[in-house]
Amino acid sequence: GAVVSQHPSWVICKSGTSVKIECRSLDFQATTMFWYRQFPKQSLMLMATSNEGSKATYEQGVEKDKFLINHASLTLSTLTVTSAHPEDSSFYICSARAGRERIGELFFGEGSRLTVL
Amino acid sequence: AQTVTQSQPEMSVQEAETVTLSCTYDTSESDYYLFWYKQPPSRQMILVIRQEAYKQQNATENRFSVNFQKAAKSFSLKISDSQLGDAAMYFCAYRNIYNQGGKLIFGQGTELSVKP
Repeated sequence: GAVVSQHPSWVICKSGTSVKIECRSLDFQATTMFWYRQFPKQSLMLMATSNEGSKATYEQGVEKDKFLINHASLTLSTLTVTSAHPEDSSFYICSARAGRERIGELFFGEGSRLTVL
Repeated sequence: AQTVTQSQPEMSVQEAETVTLSCTYDTSESDYYLFWYKQPPSRQMILVIRQEAYKQQNATENRFSVNFQKAAKSFSLKISDSQLGDAAMYFCAYRNIYNQGGKLIFGQGTELSVKP
């Protein structure tokens, strides 16, 4: 299957700093990527839908100024957690949709664990 | 809005036995996809099985099969001949075909343990 890579796989930062997480589709073009957040023993909660070349669509309750999403190319989307606080500590997972069709198959990255001290 | 409900937070099965994980969903759409994903301790999401709503035949992938009841909006996963490697978190997920960009909506998850 297609490969989606996230980087970094884990990151520790101080409160108040910003952290960038990258999501890359390595062998296919992804016009749409999805960003999820997962707390321990809980489900994946969709944060936003990222479309190449346009603004991301955020789910209700997600602060778009805090979680900046950029999808500048067909193979890369980034999530920046700005002014991170301990409550932002979580597991962040991206998913990329292959092709332009709405039913294009989805592939998941390995996830990025963020710990804010 | 669509919702997915998994009412079993934890399940346990003896190795080589069969276990069924439950999932119900709510939608007003007629065409959609349903999925079961496995998330082992590595946290990598692994697609187990997929069902297209327009197909009446239940999907099967080796030891994994589903019981898809469209009218009842039920989508259970049966794991036969359970193996130690099946131990993981299992998520049921729904996906619109025509709306909402094809995003996945996940249930709460069921943690499956396999006893040797």
